[in-house]
Amino acid sequence: NAGVTQTPKFQVLKTGQSMTLQCAQDMNHNSMYWYRQDPGMGLRLIYYSASEGTTDKGEVPNGYNVSRLNKREFSLRLESAAPSQTSVYFCASILGQATNNEQFFGPGTRLTVL
Amino acid sequence: GENVEQHPSTLSVQEGDSAVIKCTYSDSASNYFPWYKQELGKRPQLIIDIRSNVGEKKDQRIAVTLNKTAKHFSLHITETQPEDSAVYFCAASKGGTYKYIFGTGTRLKVLA
Repeated sequence: NAGVTQTPKFQVLKTGQSMTLQCAQDMNHNSMYWYRQDPGMGLRLIYYSASEGTTDKGEVPNGYNVSRLNKREFSLRLESAAPSQTSVYFCASILGQATNNEQFFGPGTRLTVL
Repeated sequence: GENVEQHPSTLSVQEGDSAVIKCTYSDSASNYFPWYKQELGKRPQLIIDIRSNVGEKKDQRIAVTLNKTAKHFSLHITETQPEDSAVYFCAASKGGTYKYIFGTGTRLKVLA
């Protein structure tokens, strides 16, 4: 099992460019998440998908869109990148059942917006 | 809105001493409280978790305690070792939503 995978690992964008961060999990998990991590700010939830076909806003959704493409894949799109979106982005997933709530994280994508 | 506060932001201890990190949550309906360890340049990984129907949980040198009345929970690491040096995050979630709110992290340094 690869667990949770993310692409790309690193990306540099210019202000106003768009891009999509990809995330996939092979653990048959139901719920998937996108976080951003900034120094001193911890992990802030951008969007999450409790189950296939649903998505919900987290703490900091502005400037982002998501797509739960299928049970395995959850993508994050920046339509018009801004320097404030420079961050490390983590995708995560959980099985979603009541007795097992451990979140498994991907390796992260380091994004720089110039 | 929902909030999780974590203290301290940095903590230095001598090898062999104990370390305690504290978190306070705002949503009284939260019922699951995990702790994650993140080494430099790596992804966060779960080290221990506790549910609202339990007051304390131990796993070797680490333990977590929960006080539902006060809405706070703590991570205790005993006999600290250099490899315990990392950033630790607490989180809280509410069953049914699977939405997690994280604390801002504690950078723990264990001095040899």
